[in-house]
Amino acid sequence: EADIYQTPRYLVIGTGKKITLECSQTMGHDKMYWYQQDPGMELHLIHYSYGVNSTEKGDLSSESTVSRIRTEHFPLTLESARPSHTSQYLCASSGPPTGGYYNEQFFGPGTRLTVL
Amino acid sequence: KQEVTQIPAALSVPEGENLVLNCSFTDSAIYNLQWFRQDPGKGLTSLLLIQSSQREQTSGRLNASLDKSSGRSTLYIAASQPGDSATYLCAVEEAGNMLTFGGGTRLMVKP
Repeated sequence: EADIYQTPRYLVIGTGKKITLECSQTMGHDKMYWYQQDPGMELHLIHYSYGVNSTEKGDLSSESTVSRIRTEHFPLTLESARPSHTSQYLCASSGPPTGGYYNEQFFGPGTRLTVL
Repeated sequence: KQEVTQIPAALSVPEGENLVLNCSFTDSAIYNLQWFRQDPGKGLTSLLLIQSSQREQTSGRLNASLDKSSGRSTLYIAASQPGDSATYLCAVEEAGNMLTFGGGTRLMVKP
């Protein structure tokens, strides 16, 4: 059973606000990822981290930023939200197996963001 | 650049049917292939992971095969049930532990 959590699950916010989407995992995984998924569309990687103090941008350009100060925590921040940021954001992690494969990715429930 | 394609995009079947979902990828230099299930508005649940050296994996009514040289994988669901209704995604892992996803197959199993 994967233990990866995202908060909030749903967020409706006005244009220009700063928001932080939280992602935490209790599996001790070293790698963490953020994906963006528009309704009915493919998932695209926007950020990833190989460990503490490591962050990289993914294939899809994003105005968001991430940080990795603690192994278990990988928050995503939007400094000034815009309607174009409306989407679902999914967090995932992978690492040394606890009965599974090393690189198997486990996903959180997602945050559905709406910017008005 | 890796491209992953899933066919069909949508599928509607009566309960009890056996069905096959297809996934193809353009670059065979992959580490593994993973099948996920996604319910509407939810996250992804990992179903099966096939390492590049393996040919198939089974879990309950699910069987996934991998033909790396031809760039294909299939997910076989036996005796489908209404609870199987969801979107099924395949993803290939390449160097750097990056996943590239297909567009998914939306499955509806009617009672």
